[in-house]
Amino acid sequence: GAGVSQSPRYKVAKRGQDVALRCDPISGHVSLFWYQQALGQGPEFLTYFQNEAQLDKSGLPSDRFFAERPEGSVSTLKIQRTQQEDSAVYLCASSLVRAELSTEAFFGQGTRLTVV
Amino acid sequence: AQSVTQLGSHVSVSEGALVLLRCNYSSSVPPYLFWYVQYPNQGLQLLLKYTTGATLVKGINGFEAEFKKSETSFHLTKPSAHMSDAAEYFCAVNPQKSSGDKLTFGTGTRLAVRP
Repeated sequence: GAGVSQSPRYKVAKRGQDVALRCDPISGHVSLFWYQQALGQGPEFLTYFQNEAQLDKSGLPSDRFFAERPEGSVSTLKIQRTQQEDSAVYLCASSLVRAELSTEAFFGQGTRLTVV
Repeated sequence: AQSVTQLGSHVSVSEGALVLLRCNYSSSVPPYLFWYVQYPNQGLQLLLKYTTGATLVKGINGFEAEFKKSETSFHLTKPSAHMSDAAEYFCAVNPQKSSGDKLTFGTGTRLAVRP
């Protein structure tokens, strides 16, 4: 597709349930990011991939959060044993690594997760 | 740690009036700077960015921003507001200036445009 695609757009999970959020980046984009956006807040960095390598996972809030990108394209963010504080919009972004130092990340529409 | 401060979580202007959204950053060296817009139930869309060169940056939809190193600011302006500008605006920095580096966002400013 032309843009970053995320699915599902909306997810309601019961507390304690595991969820998996999918991100299809723009074709050919090397870098992929996950951000968490709580209600009324700006996005906060979760993790970053360059191709299939997870180079930075410093933003993952707990070991219940796990992300993968096994073939360097589609990525999945998994949250185990969801808690109410996990309720947020999860944004995926991708960017094309360039030789010159200029970053532009393209964002998907996000997945709104509500934990009840 | 790098941080971004957006003054005013809500700004309201009349249609046709000047839009001014404030952003200040803290960084030991000038970072790359960005403004993103978010419409309801949408992802973030890049308005403009500053990397190097001219400090006055022009973006889409008539917006522009000026990087002022001495003030550590990157305020967003538009001479004449349009109803379609109503959205949430986020200022962000890329402190390491490297492609692929994470962005640090401000908390956002919600712009309302009165008819």
